[in-house]
Amino acid sequence: AQKITQTQPGMFVQEKEAVTLDCTYDTSDPSYGLFWYKQPSSGEMIFLIYQGSYDQQNATEGRYSLNFQKARKSANLVISASQLGDSAMYFCAMRGGNSGGYQKVTFGTGTKLQVIP
Amino acid sequence: DGGITQSPKYLFRKEGQNVTLSCEQNLNHDAMYWYRQDPGQGLRLIYYSQIVNDFQKGDIAEGYSVSREKKESFPLTVTSAQKNPTAFYLCATLSGTGGYEQYFGPGTRLTVT
Repeated sequence: AQKITQTQPGMFVQEKEAVTLDCTYDTSDPSYGLFWYKQPSSGEMIFLIYQGSYDQQNATEGRYSLNFQKARKSANLVISASQLGDSAMYFCAMRGGNSGGYQKVTFGTGTKLQVIP
Repeated sequence: DGGITQSPKYLFRKEGQNVTLSCEQNLNHDAMYWYRQDPGQGLRLIYYSQIVNDFQKGDIAEGYSVSREKKESFPLTVTSAQKNPTAFYLCATLSGTGGYEQYFGPGTRLTVT
């Protein structure tokens, strides 16, 4: 079965610094997609970035980039120039995998990021 | 406005009662999902549906039931068999063609006492 692991329950970063949030995944299916979502204290889920398993280049969206290392099965999120508004829970998710079809999407346990002024 | 509606935002029930959470979408997306989130925890998949009249169990389906009679609607029933039903429930959709990210509703916070 597909599995997503986020090993950092909490992280601190100084404002304006860069931070990397770790995510590893486990699947033997060659076709899958990887996502990152942000969840502020309000509870809404905000899509940040997507990486397909066949994409040759790392995905980037503004201050967010995804460091995709396929052989190591890792998909770390890098946030550059952190802002106070970046303080939130961050979830890594995977679409597809060994069972359940390509539409099955499962999430990691999340990392709580706190940006310090 | 296109989006996902979950109602109500807060729901209170007595132990032993079944309760149905609503999820409606007008995005014309094929796939719909239900997730459960406990305080400080990640999202755990309860059920998902890729097309009308078809759905699959997720990782924590016990004590829950769903139906998908219309493309727009995917209601979740929390039965009395669910031992710890108090949680935040999120509904999501995914386009079957082209799009790749899930869209989420605002969630329903269920409290069972």
